[in-house]
Amino acid sequence: DTEVTQTPKHLVMGMTNKKSLKCEQHMGHRAMYWYKQKAKKPPELMFVYSYEKLSINESVPSRFSPECPNSSLLNLHLHALQPEDSALYLCASSPTGQGIQPQHFGDGTRLSIL
Amino acid sequence: GQQVMQIPQYQHVQEGEDFTTYCNSSTTLSNIQWYKQRPGGHPVFLIQLVKSGEVKKQKRLTFQFGEAKKNSSLHITATQTTDVGTYFCAGPKWAQKLVFGQGTRLTINP
Repeated sequence: DTEVTQTPKHLVMGMTNKKSLKCEQHMGHRAMYWYKQKAKKPPELMFVYSYEKLSINESVPSRFSPECPNSSLLNLHLHALQPEDSALYLCASSPTGQGIQPQHFGDGTRLSIL
Repeated sequence: GQQVMQIPQYQHVQEGEDFTTYCNSSTTLSNIQWYKQRPGGHPVFLIQLVKSGEVKKQKRLTFQFGEAKKNSSLHITATQTTDVGTYFCAGPKWAQKLVFGQGTRLTINP
């Protein structure tokens, strides 16, 4: 069982749709991450939130909009996505954002763009 | 920029054979982490190495961090079908960013 919960597990959407991915952790971690992973590739960092503030944006297109409502929740809002955005989207958390600490990943959301 | 190179990309072994994956960085690393991702699953943290020359063991898994802190290896003794998956090394680029190697995909013939 994972301690980082992501919903939905699967999502199919059209290029004009708006949807959101959700991530929740109750480990008291203060750093949360969004990654994108294509098949047979390593996870690629998209965003980092540290103490609920956006600390890293890896030049992600504006059609991806992150939000951190509180220390336990992380959302990724999606709008006008492209077919190449189809991937596994992973959320992760770590105790603090200070230094590199082990990251706990959720099961991910498998996103397909039609 | 910093790169973390990992070889081999794929490895197929007979059950019971040993397996090793290697990770090399273009820069000195403060630490290195290893993750395992089962097919259809998510990365799971295995271990973190911090000290130069460090060796850590977890049952049949042996992790090493090079003296120069630029390379690392993961060795599995007598593989079992439960070891199937992709093994990633990851090193920090900045305080909060991990750079993952390309991964080594291990398949096992029972």
